[in-house]
Amino acid sequence: EADIYQTPRYLVIGTGKKITLECSQTMGHDKMYWYQQDPGMELHLIHYSYGVNSTEKGDLSSESTVSRIRTEHFPLTLESARPSHTSQYLCASTGGGRGEQYFGPGTRLTVT
Amino acid sequence: AQSVAQPEDQVNVAEGNPLTVKCTYSVSGNPYLFWYVQYPNRGLQFLLKYITGDNLVKGSYGFEAEFNKSQTSFHLKKPSALVSDSALYFCAVREALAGNNRLAFGKGNQVVVIP
Repeated sequence: EADIYQTPRYLVIGTGKKITLECSQTMGHDKMYWYQQDPGMELHLIHYSYGVNSTEKGDLSSESTVSRIRTEHFPLTLESARPSHTSQYLCASTGGGRGEQYFGPGTRLTVT
Repeated sequence: AQSVAQPEDQVNVAEGNPLTVKCTYSVSGNPYLFWYVQYPNRGLQFLLKYITGDNLVKGSYGFEAEFNKSQTSFHLKKPSALVSDSALYFCAVREALAGNNRLAFGKGNQVVVIP
């Protein structure tokens, strides 16, 4: 099992609420990623980070924002949740080089 | 640009029979190739990777994959499927020299092992 954690695992929230999805890893990895995945479907990269104070948008446009103040922590924030944000959000990290990405267990978000 | 194609939506196989999940890729340079498995309501678990060397790569849970450069393929195989192998399988690729380690994932293949 990889040492990458996501909280909460499940979240049901009303429209318009601000939410933050937490992701942390204890492997000292410099590169971290957020993916959005509808159930049983492909993954879409929405944000990534090369290291502290570095963030980039991914391939899929997202209304969420991210920050990377500490190496181990890469939270994702939605300022105003909408039903279209309902999805699973997966966080991943890698130490780079030839290494694979390690994935957290995911957060299943439902916006009502 | 890098991309992966997993041509089959679902693969059905009887328990004990060989399992193959197909993957073809496209990158501009040398590829690093990965297979992941996902169980319901879970994140992706790493199975195996090809970086360099032997074209036949062995991974977790009895899975293996063969890198074929001429056919740009990296098919996942298991000699004898188990019911517990039923899951969603993703192939991924990145260019070896890409510094951001970004992966391109395929759309995934649902594997159903029939008892």
